[in-house]
Amino acid sequence: QSVLTQPPSASGTPGQRVTISCSGSSSNIGSNTVNWYQQLPGTAPKLLIYSNNQRPSGVPDRFSGSKSGTSASLAISGLQSEDEADYYCAAWDDSLNGHWVFGGGTKLTVL
Amino acid sequence: QVQLQESGPGLVKPSQTLSLTCTVSGGSISSGGYYWSWIRQHPGKGLEWIGYIYYSGSTYYNPSLKSRVTISVDTSKNQFSLKLSSVTAADTAVYYCARERITMVRGVIRWFDPWGQGTLVTVSS
Repeated sequence: QSVLTQPPSASGTPGQRVTISCSGSSSNIGSNTVNWYQQLPGTAPKLLIYSNNQRPSGVPDRFSGSKSGTSASLAISGLQSEDEADYYCAAWDDSLNGHWVFGGGTKLTVL
Repeated sequence: QVQLQESGPGLVKPSQTLSLTCTVSGGSISSGGYYWSWIRQHPGKGLEWIGYIYYSGSTYYNPSLKSRVTISVDTSKNQFSLKLSSVTAADTAVYYCARERITMVRGVIRWFDPWGQGTLVTVSS
């Protein structure tokens, strides 16, 4: 059972906009910034969004992040087939003297 | 561009110690502002943070694994290592090393980037 809650799956057709939610608590998302990672099949996770809504260099602006209270969201607009991957949210949790927590991951299928 | 590469045995017997090394290339592990982390992913499951080390040797571990984890650093080789003792089948996972960037901009901001490619460790007799 992951500390951060994500839907296990999401889907969309090419060109559509999809959103993936991430729900936490006051000790993690409510107190700290949220990061999103993309894991393509058979590869390591890759940083997609950091500090709630910042895109690293090279990440298309089709990807955007937001945070409100103890929840965060990842939005992907203009969905493309290469976006089919697992997406994970993560945040530092201030409980137990602090530790990283992750969501269980959302498998995005492009129909 | 910094790259990380995990290495170590892919098979460990139950009750023994899992040992992995992460080699950092393209940058110095002694650069300030970064922690060097280990993260694992059980087969078909989500991610679990194991712990991190600073180049000075300061460490911090996940409370749930703290009693079995040791992370060390060798700045002369630009490497850091993970030891996980008394392993069981539940420790079978892909183990990743990653660089954690920490910065202060209206509060602490931190994230993992880049990650190594990962190495599968199976615990079995």
